Amino acid sequence: AQSVSQHNHHVILSEAASLELGCNYSYGGTVNLFWYVQYPGQHLQLLLKYFSGDPLVKGIKGFEAEFIKSKFSFNLRKPSVQWSDTAEYFCAVILSGGSYIPTFGRGTSLIVHP
Amino acid sequence: DTGVSQDPRHKITKRGQNVTFRCDPISEHNRLYWYRQTLGQGPEFLTYFQNEAQLEKSRLLSDRFSAERPKGSFSTLEIQRTEQGDSAMYLCASSLIAGGPTDTQYFGPGTRLTVL
Repeated sequence: AQSVSQHNHHVILSEAASLELGCNYSYGGTVNLFWYVQYPGQHLQLLLKYFSGDPLVKGIKGFEAEFIKSKFSFNLRKPSVQWSDTAEYFCAVILSGGSYIPTFGRGTSLIVHP
Repeated sequence: DTGVSQDPRHKITKRGQNVTFRCDPISEHNRLYWYRQTLGQGPEFLTYFQNEAQLEKSRLLSDRFSAERPKGSFSTLEIQRTEQGDSAMYLCASSLIAGGPTDTQYFGPGTRLTVL
């Protein structure tokens, strides 16, 4: 069965610091990759997604992620975080050609100090 | 488009009672998913519907759990004889599958269940 690993469970940064959250998946086939964000008190929302093409994907609020197939990774980055980026971040993988059911990582809690 | 809604937002029940949750997806979406999320974990798939047909159920979905989507619109998730281990956030999501691999799921706010 496929699995998704998010290595950083808790990250604490100061404003303007750079962010990189790791995501690795276990499946070797064609995958669709997602990052979701959950702000405090709000529901999960899509941050960005990769289906094909350019492996560097840009999402909302200045976030980007790079798909590196050889490393089975889809790390999330932001060059300069803001206090409002404090949230829970979830990586998810869907096997292409399957039933479109995503497997989520356990999430990374990001706290940004002003 | 008002997004995915779930009702109730919070439910506290005693062990052994039955509970039912409702999810209203985005109106034109043909897929509806149920997930369970516990503290410190990501959402775990429970079941999904395409229109009114329930196409897949996770092994996490014990016999005490049942879900319906009778008219292909809203869905209900019922838990019978609740146990303390059922305490979790129950999430609903919907998406539009149009024949390609571009499934983006839109999540509701969740129903937080506490079993005493």
